[in-house]
Amino acid sequence: DGGITQSPKYLFRKEGQNVTLSCEQNLNHDAMYWYRQDPGQGLRLIYYSQIVNDFQKGDIAEGYSVSREKKESFPLTVTSAQKNPTAFYLCASTIGASGTDTQYFGPGTRLTVL
Amino acid sequence: GENVEQHPSTLSVQEGDSAVIKCTYSDSASNYFPWYKQELGKRPQLIIDIRSNVGEKKDQRIAVTLNKTAKHFSLHITETQPEDSAVYFCAASLGPNDYKLSFGAGTTVTVRA
Repeated sequence: DGGITQSPKYLFRKEGQNVTLSCEQNLNHDAMYWYRQDPGQGLRLIYYSQIVNDFQKGDIAEGYSVSREKKESFPLTVTSAQKNPTAFYLCASTIGASGTDTQYFGPGTRLTVL
Repeated sequence: GENVEQHPSTLSVQEGDSAVIKCTYSDSASNYFPWYKQELGKRPQLIIDIRSNVGEKKDQRIAVTLNKTAKHFSLHITETQPEDSAVYFCAASLGPNDYKLSFGAGTTVTVRA
């Protein structure tokens, strides 16, 4: 799991600000994912990317944006349009883009809106 | 899309006893069911998974059973130990051609010494 890093560990955002969460992996994995974790709601998929320069919306993409310019990096931007962004955000990667590949998670970023 | 329900949301067991967590899924086409464990302050990690062509799978003290007819699968932990205290998530996917895992809401397991 040390192959996936997220930064920062904690992030505070003021109302109306956009913030970007970093996710980097050195596992040479093809696919990367962003999840949001809220108490009692499990992990909900925000965006995913199967290959470089391509990404797809997950179940709760509204108010978020991503890019995948490099295989190793999949940053998530939480925009001011996201009405309730306070949550724990987890990045994950899989060796391929198959639903049966093991998901390897990063350590997470806890975002708090002030 | 797939909907995965997980019960119970919290579970407290005496050390040495067994723990059972049950999940139900809605899409009969789902055929891959992993379980992830998230210890406090740590990232989720895969602990066991099962595919729909298998009814049961064991790995030391943990086992997963699958009932395709009833569309439910369960995690069984025997001889629980304090290090089993964590949040456990079940998930389901439609298999290799489905990019997406649908997760249950999680079960917080506390093992009492």
